[in-house]
Parts: sequence; C-alpha cells; structure tokens
Amino acid sequence: AQSVTQLDSQVPVFEEAPVELRCNYSSSVSVYLFWYVQYPNQGLQLLLKYLSGSTLVKGINGFEAEFNKSQTSFHLRKPSVHISDTAEYFCAVSLANQAGTALIFGKGTTLSVSS
Amino acid sequence: NAGVTQTPKFQVLKTGQSMTLQCAQDMNHNSMYWYRQDPGMGLRLIYYSASEGTTDKGEVPNGYNVSRLNKREFSLRLESAAPSQTSVYFCASSEWHAGGYEQYFGPGTRLTVT
Repeated sequence: AQSVTQLDSQVPVFEEAPVELRCNYSSSVSVYLFWYVQYPNQGLQLLLKYLSGSTLVKGINGFEAEFNKSQTSFHLRKPSVHISDTAEYFCAVSLANQAGTALIFGKGTTLSVSS
Repeated sequence: NAGVTQTPKFQVLKTGQSMTLQCAQDMNHNSMYWYRQDPGMGLRLIYYSASEGTTDKGEVPNGYNVSRLNKREFSLRLESAAPSQTSVYFCASSEWHAGGYEQYFGPGTRLTVT
C-alpha cells in the first residue's frame, strides 16, 4: 500500500521569502506524484505532477518540485512567495501506469504568507 | 466544457435523513471518485469507479453507497446521515493514457449533519 506524509502541518513565511513544503511517500511499486493547492472555500487545483522523466518538475504560479527516488521525497519549492500563495497544499500519490487508480493524499500543509 | 460539476454546493441534514450527492463530468473520462475532506485529515477516498459498470470501496466507505449511472455520472448516497458525516465531499474524474495522468476535481459539496 502507498502512503504520504507531509512533514509540516503549518508553514508561516514572510512575503518574498523562499519556501519549501516537504512530502515523503512510501510505496513498493512505481508511483505518480502530485501537488494540489486549495484556496479558502474552493476546490483543488493541480500545481504540478511527476509521471516520469526529469526529476525536476515545474508547475504553475512559479512552484517547482523535485522527485527524489532514493529519499522517497517530492518536496515543493518556490523561491519567492506572495501573499496570494496563502492556501493549503496537498501532496498525493497514485500507482503508476494503472487506469482507475485513486489518489492517496497527505494531510496537508497550510502555508501562511504575511507582509 | 464544464469539467466536473457537483450538486448541491451546500446541504444541511438532520440525523437519520437521507440524500444523494450528484456528480457529472463532460471529459469522457472512464474513472470517477468520491472523496471526503475533514480538517487535519486531508482527502480520503470513499468509493471509486474505475470504469462504467464497476464500483469499489475506498478507505472510508461505511455509511455510503454509490451508483455509476453512466459514463458521465457518479452519485453518492447517504442512507441515514450521521453527524460524523459532516464534511466537504469532492467528486473527481480521471483518464490514464500512455501520455499522462491527471485527476480533475469538482468544486465540492459542504454537508452539515445536525
């Protein structure tokens, strides 16, 4: 079975500072990895995904993540955050190359950006 | 192209009442899912349908039933609502192919059971 651990439940940062949201996963088979963002009272929006190929994945809104197979991690980074990045961020994993596979989510990290 | 739509957006039920949450997608996806979101718990899978005509239990299926009505629609039914089912419910759909995979989410239904 797969599992996802988001290592920080809350991350407070100042505007224009860099940020890293940490995600570790556990799986004995190949997986796909995802980061979703949820703004207050809204649904989930895909930030980026890793399916295969280059381990550095770039997403929307200036975010990027690096897949590290040896450390089973998929940390999300942004070099300079804005107030508008305040939201909840979810890391998720699914089985690779399998139709109909559901996502397994971490418990989320709340990013709070202040001025 | 509306993507994944859910109705209703909000609902308040009394304990013991029943209701059906509706979900539809217009992307011709084979697979559909129901998740619930609770504070500090992330999203947890209730039921999913890998393809039309099939449904399977997820992590938290107790108290729920589902129907894959056709390829577009996947409904979630609460037969006898309980306060523990107060949550935000998300429907999603996906398609896997050699070029990639992504799951698309609806806007959610906020359910309160009193």
